[in-house]
Amino acid sequence: QQPVQSPQAVILREGEDAVINCSSSKALYSVHWYRQKHGEAPVFLMILLKGGEQKGHEKISASFNEKKQQSSLYLTASQLSYSGTYFCGTYASGNTPLVFGKGTRLSVIA
Amino acid sequence: EPEVTQTPSHQVTQMGQEVILRCVPISNHLYFYWYRQILGQKVEFLVSFYNNEISEKSEIFDDQFSVERPDGSNFTLKIRSTKLEDSAMYFCASNRDRGYQPQHFGDGTRLSIL
Repeated sequence: QQPVQSPQAVILREGEDAVINCSSSKALYSVHWYRQKHGEAPVFLMILLKGGEQKGHEKISASFNEKKQQSSLYLTASQLSYSGTYFCGTYASGNTPLVFGKGTRLSVIA
Repeated sequence: EPEVTQTPSHQVTQMGQEVILRCVPISNHLYFYWYRQILGQKVEFLVSFYNNEISEKSEIFDDQFSVERPDGSNFTLKIRSTKLEDSAMYFCASNRDRGYQPQHFGDGTRLSIL
């Protein structure tokens, strides 16, 4: 089952913050976050496995809620290099494939 | 740092022809994957491969598609009788442990069907 990402797109000025959400109607096994720049391969950012988990550093971090149905990616003090499409990928269980959301296109402008 | 390599980077083929896309996963990885991304759309799962057999496949991965690991290092995706709608970027990925480790993606093969 495909996770739902929101927003679909966001435009930021350098230095502004953004939050990207990824949600499922059922509890997830794990959530993986990737960033893809135009014409390039997805690049891994982080994995969250446990309910209530928070991970990352002060600039880019993520959380996984207690029910393991929603994850959020936090981008703080955005830089031009943050521009790209952010995908969450979710495993419903240990025996199902990684399914990606439709992505959130982030544009950071000067 | 080891990486997943894919060849060719761009393949142009006439409709109805067969294509083989090649991937060399990271050497100590155990799980291998193919994904497809139509221009401007999301990354779609095609198939996963473990222990020399398909472990999961999506409904996209029909009889037109097959995968093989012919020699212990290469991992190939064959598309028979290509159609215009097969035009897309195809990514290979690999990891050591399904749910706990990130998937490392290759740079992709852009397949254009004429």
